[in-house]
Amino acid sequence: KAGVTQTPRYLIKTRGQQVTLSCSPISGHRSVSWYQQTPGQGLQFLFEYFSETQRNKGNFPGRFSGRQFSNSRSEMNVSTLELGDSALYLCASSLGRVDNSPLHFGNGTRLTVT
Amino acid sequence: AQSVTQLDSHVSVSEGTPVLLRCNYSSSYSPSLFWYVQHPNKGLQLLLKYTSAATLVKGINGFEAEFKKSETSFHLTKPSAHMSDAAEYFCVVSDPSGTYKYIFGTGTRLKVLA
Repeated sequence: KAGVTQTPRYLIKTRGQQVTLSCSPISGHRSVSWYQQTPGQGLQFLFEYFSETQRNKGNFPGRFSGRQFSNSRSEMNVSTLELGDSALYLCASSLGRVDNSPLHFGNGTRLTVT
Repeated sequence: AQSVTQLDSHVSVSEGTPVLLRCNYSSSYSPSLFWYVQHPNKGLQLLLKYTSAATLVKGINGFEAEFKKSETSFHLTKPSAHMSDAAEYFCVVSDPSGTYKYIFGTGTRLKVLA
């Protein structure tokens, strides 16, 4: 079974630009979550989608948005990029139907904002 | 509300000696608990999970963890450290009340000395 796939692996953008990151979950998983990881703030939850609906949301500004498609693939978008958005963005998928299903993570997208 | 505390931000051990990474949780319900490992610039990999079956849980790569309800702890152990164990480890609790939220500890960086 293929794991969680995130593309692209690396991105370099300039302040003010926007970026879209993609995540393909494990087959059969209907929940996709996004996390931001930085050395200073650690791992922070962005949002979670289940069956194309946002089910949970973290404390990030509206510049961060996401969506999920009918095949469970998900994208997240960051508009008006700031230097502080430089981070490793991780996507995780799970069955999403029971509380104890583990999260399965992709290898992340490393975003650098200059 | 659920919470999880990893008691050590850094742990150093010599190769071949035991590893102990400590995690305490707070939960109003019977929690599901997970340990993940993250190698540099990679995603998080599931080591093991506790979901109210056996209190001693065996995971991959020789790791195990014991759920102790009286101490609200879920410490991760390994009898003999290997150089490849050097990584960051995260303790995670999932909220069993139907919110599908996962709460992450702040991580413990394990250093293995030759």
